[in-house]
Amino acid sequence: NAGVMQNPRHLVRRRGQEARLRCSPMKGHSHVYWYRQLPEEGLKFMVYLQKENIIDESGMPKERFSAEFPKEGPSILRIQQVVRGDSAAYFCASSPRTVRETQYFGPGTRLLVL
Amino acid sequence: TQLLEQSPQFLSIQEGENLTVYCNSSSVFSSLQWYRQEPGEGPVLLVTVVTGGEVKKLKRLTFQFGDARKDSSLHITAAQPGDTGLYLCAGQSSGSARQLTFGSGTQLTVLP
Repeated sequence: NAGVMQNPRHLVRRRGQEARLRCSPMKGHSHVYWYRQLPEEGLKFMVYLQKENIIDESGMPKERFSAEFPKEGPSILRIQQVVRGDSAAYFCASSPRTVRETQYFGPGTRLLVL
Repeated sequence: TQLLEQSPQFLSIQEGENLTVYCNSSSVFSSLQWYRQEPGEGPVLLVTVVTGGEVKKLKRLTFQFGDARKDSSLHITAAQPGDTGLYLCAGQSSGSARQLTFGSGTQLTVLP
């Protein structure tokens, strides 16, 4: 059973470009979460999605960031007009449908903004 | 805003010694999870504790959830160099919110 998959593993962008990060949850998991780990900081929650629905986006920056989890295909975290402060490791986690289930993390995407 | 205070931040010990990592909060969590993270990788789940007072063992690792579900500890017996890594605790909120609140992590180094 494959784990959570994220791609790309590393992404380099220049200021002002767009970054698209992809996450495929574990098989059978319908809940996806995105977290960000800034340099020298802990993991911080960004957004929680189910298929075609954003459930909780309380951790998302108000501008330039968006996330989706379509009916078919991976979840996408999109960052428009990236700035240097967006440089971080972005982790996706997934869990099955039931309440209080454990979240399993992917290997992360390391975004570097030049 | 829920916070998890994790201590110590850094720990360097000799092979064979015992150690305990603590995670404390003023908030109640519905569950608490411990992860281990290697450089350049994502957190890997070690254990989930759900019930207040619960104790779980994973070989030389013992995890405990406080009676009030506000704190947790990780105890490692006879540490080995292979235990070196970043240990993270993460609490899950009650109710419909399912986000994890992470502690700042404990960087453990076990010297041979």
